[in-house]
Amino acid sequence: DVKVTQSSRYLVKRTGEKVFLECVQDMDHENMFWYRQDPGLGLRLIYFSYDVKMKEKGDIPEGYSVSREKKERFSLILESASTNQTSMYLCASNGYSNQPQHFGDGTRLSIL
Amino acid sequence: GENVEQHPSTLSVQEGDSAVIKCTYSDSASNYFPWYKQELGKRPQLIIDIRSNVGEKKDQRIAVTLNKTAKHFSLHITETQPEDSAVYFCAASIPTGGFKTIFGAGTRLFVKA
Repeated sequence: DVKVTQSSRYLVKRTGEKVFLECVQDMDHENMFWYRQDPGLGLRLIYFSYDVKMKEKGDIPEGYSVSREKKERFSLILESASTNQTSMYLCASNGYSNQPQHFGDGTRLSIL
Repeated sequence: GENVEQHPSTLSVQEGDSAVIKCTYSDSASNYFPWYKQELGKRPQLIIDIRSNVGEKKDQRIAVTLNKTAKHFSLHITETQPEDSAVYFCAASIPTGGFKTIFGAGTRLFVKA
C-alpha cells in the first residue's frame, strides 16, 4: 500500500520565520504535489513536481517555494511565514499522469 | 483559467436515501475525473474515478456519470449509510505538462440515521 508521510501533524510558527514542511513517499512515484486546504475552498494546488529537481507552479504559489532533490522527498518552504498562511497542508503523489493521487495525513500549520 | 465547480456545498439526507453531487469543469481537454472522500480529521481517499472514454462507472453503491459535451460529471450514492457522512471532492485532470489536477470546493454530506 502506498504510504505518503508528512513530517508533522501540527506545527506552530511565528510570523517571519522560514518554515519547512517535508513529505516522503515510498512507492517510487514520479509526481508529487503540495495542496493547501481551507474551508469552503477545497484543495488548492501550490506546487507540483514531475521529476527530481523539476517543479511547476500551481494556482497559489506566492509566498511558497519547493525542493525536490530526491525522488521520494518533496519539501514545501514558506520563505517568511505570514498569518494568512495558517492552514492545512496536504502532500500527495502518483505514479503516472491520470492516476489517483495518494495523500498524506496533512500538516495543520498555525502562524502566530 | 481552469476551474471545477461543485454543488451543493452541503447535503443532508436520510439514511437509505440517495445522494447526488454534481461538478462542472471548464477545460475540455480534461480527461480524468476522480472522486475523493475525506472523513473528519483524515486524508482524502479515492472512492471512484472515470476516464473520458467512458460515460458511466459503478462500484456497489457508488456510481459516477460523465457528460463530455456538457462538461459535467456527477457522483451518485445509493442507500446511504451514516458512515457515508464526509466531505466529497470531485476533480478534473488536465494534460498540460505534468498533468494538473483541479479540485472542486467539496460537498459536506450528512446522513441522518
